Amino acid sequence: EVQLVESGGGLVQPGGSLRLSCAASGFTFSSYSMNWVRQAPGKGLEWVSYISSSSSTIYYADSVKGRFTISRDNAKNSLYLQMNSLRDEDTAVYYCARETPILSFDYWGQGTLVTVSS
Amino acid sequence: QSVLTQPPSASGTPGQRVTISCSGSSSNIGSNTVNWYQQLPGTAPKLLIYSNNQRPSGVPDRFSGSKSGTSASLAISGLQSEDEADYYCAAWDDSLNGSLWVFGTGTKVTVL
Repeated sequence: EVQLVESGGGLVQPGGSLRLSCAASGFTFSSYSMNWVRQAPGKGLEWVSYISSSSSTIYYADSVKGRFTISRDNAKNSLYLQMNSLRDEDTAVYYCARETPILSFDYWGQGTLVTVSS
Repeated sequence: QSVLTQPPSASGTPGQRVTISCSGSSSNIGSNTVNWYQQLPGTAPKLLIYSNNQRPSGVPDRFSGSKSGTSASLAISGLQSEDEADYYCAAWDDSLNGSLWVFGTGTKVTVL
């Protein structure tokens, strides 16, 4: 069974940092591209970042470019999101999602809540 | 960041057909496939339709998708109470500013 489990969320002050993790199981993690998607309270889905299976290709949304860094460790079946210079508007539930070769997100984690507030 | 435009809400009585539109541009829907996601209250999104009109295993055939030009649609036939959820379209966007995923603004479906 495919499972994606996020962790690392919490309360952080503006300007602070947080590192999210996504533990993958039930599939060959190293064969899939992965993404982070977030959802602010009461709002819609917003794509955050993409990383290819070998980490050779990475993309970011303009809203996080220069502040967030996506990475992965295929040996540990884990995906990460390092978030620096956090702002109030980064408050959201962050989901990791597996991307299929035919361009869709077929599995999602349960999400981890990040709250940026003083 | 570009987004795909959806109506904020749609509704119908049980058994009715409901259609949700998703409007994009040549750099996203116009040149790439469209996916639809269903998000039940308090849960993570779930893949509902991929590659414009394909249903993953386990998704009821009352859900169908279509695409034409720079727009796409999701239809729910025989609406059921458990279909009350938020629905999002999504597509890859290859613009001059770079490549990225874009989501629709979301549509809340209410079963009356």
